Amino acid sequence: GQSLEQPSEVTAVEGAIVQINCTYQTSGFYGLSWYQQHDGGAPTFLSYNGLDGLEETGRFSSFLSRSDSYGYLLLQELQMKDSASYFCAPGGRDDKIIFGKGTRLHILP
Amino acid sequence: SAVISQKPSRDICQRGTSLTIQCQVDSQVTMMFWYRQQPGQSLTLIATANQGSEATYESGFVIDKFPISRPNLTFSTLTVSNMSPEDSSIYLCSVEGGRQSTDTQYFGPGTRLTVL
Repeated sequence: GQSLEQPSEVTAVEGAIVQINCTYQTSGFYGLSWYQQHDGGAPTFLSYNGLDGLEETGRFSSFLSRSDSYGYLLLQELQMKDSASYFCAPGGRDDKIIFGKGTRLHILP
Repeated sequence: SAVISQKPSRDICQRGTSLTIQCQVDSQVTMMFWYRQQPGQSLTLIATANQGSEATYESGFVIDKFPISRPNLTFSTLTVSNMSPEDSSIYLCSVEGGRQSTDTQYFGPGTRLTVL
């Protein structure tokens, strides 16, 4: 079967670092993507890990461990505009991606 | 990256009617996806639409309720048929952007549907 776990909410302070974890179980796993969605907006692609290890894109980094079926998104130097929902999305069979329930990130000034 | 537009952006419809949502992409893509997202919830894949073939529907979604057209490589429509209040949701189309669709997907702005 398929399963996906990520925290429902995380709160952090502006300027700090926050990590959003994701564990998954997906048939025919290809890789793990992360998407950001602001209220009222469409999801936007942030990062993709096809291989184990860390991918860095500016203030955002994403990590994947295939053996642990685990990944995380790391956001550094948090800004108020980072307040959004973050979805991990493992890709699997038939070129589909499955979205998790999302983590609502609250940033305090 | 792909630029995707959707029409309408929002609509309020009566129970029992149908609404067709259009999705236009600025480049040719093989696979297009239709999702549903209820307020505060995650995205649920409705179907995958490939040009020149029947759409592939996910469990819980059927062609009679959500007929899809894919007449060319830049356009697709999703119809929500015989609507009920439970169909109130945001409907999003997306396209693949990487070597595999699992690499990246680009989303349209969504269509906010309210059924009375």
